[in-house]
Amino acid sequence: DAKTTQPTSMDCAEGRAANLPCNHSTISGNEYVYWYRQIHSQGPQYIIHGLKNNETNEMASLIITEDRKSSTLILPHATLRDTAVYYCIVRSPGTASKLTFGTGTRLQVTL
Amino acid sequence: GAVVSQHPSRVICKSGTSVKIECRSLDFQATTMFWYRQFPKKSLMLMATSNEGSKATYEQGVEKDKFLINHASLTLSTLTVTSAHPEDSSFYICSGMTGGNEKLFFGSGTQLSVL
Repeated sequence: DAKTTQPTSMDCAEGRAANLPCNHSTISGNEYVYWYRQIHSQGPQYIIHGLKNNETNEMASLIITEDRKSSTLILPHATLRDTAVYYCIVRSPGTASKLTFGTGTRLQVTL
Repeated sequence: GAVVSQHPSRVICKSGTSVKIECRSLDFQATTMFWYRQFPKKSLMLMATSNEGSKATYEQGVEKDKFLINHASLTLSTLTVTSAHPEDSSFYICSGMTGGNEKLFFGSGTQLSVL
């Protein structure tokens, strides 16, 4: 699976949009971009995933560039409970395909 | 989202004992489950891939005789840490893949402390 690059940490004021970037310049044509987050001492939580089109759900929006070499996860109105480590992962479809975690971005939401 | 139940959430054991961790998919059938471990302030490391009814596939460097994985049904996978030692102390997390093979959902994790 392709590797991803994310900033180590980011801060965001509560109520503002949090934009978390991810670089995946070696992504293959059939690989999806997934975002998970992990709040301290809990299992990772699925946020969103996409292939080439932008995606939105109740939690976040995912913007994938046209060349698919990078993407941005947008939390439209960050709250203190969004403080977590956010992982951007690329993965091929199929049961045998693993989800390989990088180092992620530690997002700190502040008052 | 789909629910994966993992038990126990925390276990403390003496060195040399074995510990079993259960992972259940409550509202979906997971043909494939993955087991991860995580050290403090580190990312998740994949240990093994578990397929229902067949032997698990272990990642390089993970001892299969140390970490026994059983995936006897579509809703249950277990990880047994045999003859645990202090260096096995870690956060263990399981995940199951939904039928569409697109999403993985994770259990809440098990914090293992070996004294």
